[in-house]
Amino acid sequence: GQNIDQPTEMTATEGAIVQINCTYQTSGFNGLFWYQQHAGEAPTFLSYNVLDGLEEKGRFSSFLSRSKGYSYLLLKELQMKDSASYLCAVKDSNYQLIWGAGTKLIIKP
Amino acid sequence: SQTIHQWPATLVQPVGSPLSLECTVEGTSNPNLYWYRQAAGRGLQLLFYSVGIGQISSEVPQNLSASRPQDRQFILSSKKLLLSDSGFYLCAWRGTGDSDGYTFGSGTRLTVV
Repeated sequence: GQNIDQPTEMTATEGAIVQINCTYQTSGFNGLFWYQQHAGEAPTFLSYNVLDGLEEKGRFSSFLSRSKGYSYLLLKELQMKDSASYLCAVKDSNYQLIWGAGTKLIIKP
Repeated sequence: SQTIHQWPATLVQPVGSPLSLECTVEGTSNPNLYWYRQAAGRGLQLLFYSVGIGQISSEVPQNLSASRPQDRQFILSSKKLLLSDSGFYLCAWRGTGDSDGYTFGSGTRLTVV
């Protein structure tokens, strides 16, 4: 079966750094996405990785290791507005997205 | 630029009543369109997807149905709602590039009472 695992909830302090991990087992791999979803809102695109390594985009970076079936999202200089759920999704061999359940990130002052 | 519209934003319906949620996309032609449901505190569950007019694939057997009467219109329906149909319904479209993720509509919060 296809499976994506993320921690259910994480807590971090404003100004700090947090790493959200995602491990996956899917039938084929054609890229990995990270989305941000604020409570009551639709998910919005954050990043895309298809090759191994780190992709940096401002305060957010995403890392991928295809051999390990592993990715992480790194958020630096945390702000209160970063409180949200972060969803990991893998595009499988049929080019359909398989979604993790999301990680709820709580930022404390 | 491409935009996706979804309505209504919230809906409270009694058990056994019908449902119709509409989604339209602008600024692109022949998009791949998707309906997802998200239960409270849960991940996204793919309900239906469509690669073209009249072409609907169902991922989860249930009392919901979908239709695509026009290229940029995708409709989610039910003849009789169940309590378990409550959730956050999201329409999405996907670009054709490999790095294209899904762009979501603003969602419909459905409460069946």
